[in-house]
Amino acid sequence: GAVVSQHPSWVICKSGTSVKIECRSLDFQATTMFWYRQFPKQSLMLMATSNEGSKATYEQGVEKDKFLINHASLTLSTLTVTSAHPEDSSFYICSAGQGGFHNEQFFGPGTRLTVL
Amino acid sequence: GQQLNQSPQSMFIQEGEDVSMNCTSSSIFNTWLWYKQDPGEGPVLLIALYKAGELTSNGRLTAQFGITRKDSFLNISASIPSDVGIYFCAGPPRSGAGSYQLTFGKGTKLSVIP
Repeated sequence: GAVVSQHPSWVICKSGTSVKIECRSLDFQATTMFWYRQFPKQSLMLMATSNEGSKATYEQGVEKDKFLINHASLTLSTLTVTSAHPEDSSFYICSAGQGGFHNEQFFGPGTRLTVL
Repeated sequence: GQQLNQSPQSMFIQEGEDVSMNCTSSSIFNTWLWYKQDPGEGPVLLIALYKAGELTSNGRLTAQFGITRKDSFLNISASIPSDVGIYFCAGPPRSGAGSYQLTFGKGTKLSVIP
């Protein structure tokens, strides 16, 4: 149980284009999903917290107009990188929490974004 | 903000050796989570700890929640090549249901020499 998928697993795009990444919880309902960014040889950095049916909460320094997050259902959250630039190239990982007190998060396999 | 100090940063060990890594925080944590990340993959939850002093095993892995609630360690016994990866400790900055954000340590990169 507690499987989270991401699509696509990798994407290459031209500078200025927008890219959408999907995160799905396959066998549980996730009221909260999280989006992380990870640069090479670094730890995961939380970008935003996404709650189903409400606006995402962004971490300091993360532009909400550039990284659009939609959490329309209990099993799907999307991250859209708008007007992507080479500095947005990174490994984007989502996670989902099952709720309750214990705070475990289950991670997707990640999406490698390369902006040319 | 919350700080998690994870050490060592990297380790090179011989296959069959035991491994120990630890994590300390600047404040009390109510949950400690240990994840492993393989290259190009998302982190996978290894062990979750919920009570001070708790000692939990998962196969060759053992983790403990420090009694001060500010530290945790992860041990791997009899290491094998597939143990290679980056191990992260993580915990929520706040306690209570609904407070789900995690703070991550910087990771311990483990290399196993066959």
